[in-house]
Amino acid sequence: GQNIDQPTEMTATEGAIVQINCTYQTSGFNGLFWYQQHAGEAPTFLSYNVLDGLEEKGRFSSFLSRSKGYSYLLLKELQMKDSASYLCAVRDPYSGAGSYQLTFGKGTKLSVIP
Amino acid sequence: DAGITQSPRYKITETGRQVTLMCHQTWSHSYMFWYRQDLGHGLRLIYYSAAADITDKGEVPDGYVVSRSKTENFPLTLESATRSQTSVYFCASSVSGEQNQPQHFGDGTRLSIL
Repeated sequence: GQNIDQPTEMTATEGAIVQINCTYQTSGFNGLFWYQQHAGEAPTFLSYNVLDGLEEKGRFSSFLSRSKGYSYLLLKELQMKDSASYLCAVRDPYSGAGSYQLTFGKGTKLSVIP
Repeated sequence: DAGITQSPRYKITETGRQVTLMCHQTWSHSYMFWYRQDLGHGLRLIYYSAAADITDKGEVPDGYVVSRSKTENFPLTLESATRSQTSVYFCASSVSGEQNQPQHFGDGTRLSIL
């Protein structure tokens, strides 16, 4: 089976740093994606990790540990516009639709407060 | 750059009716996907298509039909709508099936079935 866990909600202060965790248990692994979704809008791609380590993209970084089934998204210098849901998704080649399927977590709703 | 567009954005219909959700992309992406997003669940894959005239089931295909006669269009039909199909439906596309290729999402269709 497949299981992807993320905290349901988080709150952080403008200008601070926040870490959103994602743990996964899947039959296989071909990469992990992070998406941002503002309320009422489409998910937009943030990052992709397939090897262990940290990938940095401006204020956003994403980390992966395949042996631990663990990833996190790190957001620095938080801005009010970062208030959104953050979705973790795993590509599992042994899922029903094979490597084409992304299995999504339920998302973490981040609220940035002044 | 129109990208990926879905229509209608909002739809209300009654149980038992047939309803078709449209998805059109201008990127000439090979792969297209349909997801539904419900509270308490992550995005769940309904159907996907690797190319024109090639479609396959995802995680939750029951009650849905898809077709892909042209690369740019991937309509989703609910043949006899049920209340449990009330959801937000997202169409997505990716340039290929390569594992590092992200999926790009349309703005979604909010479907209510009374």
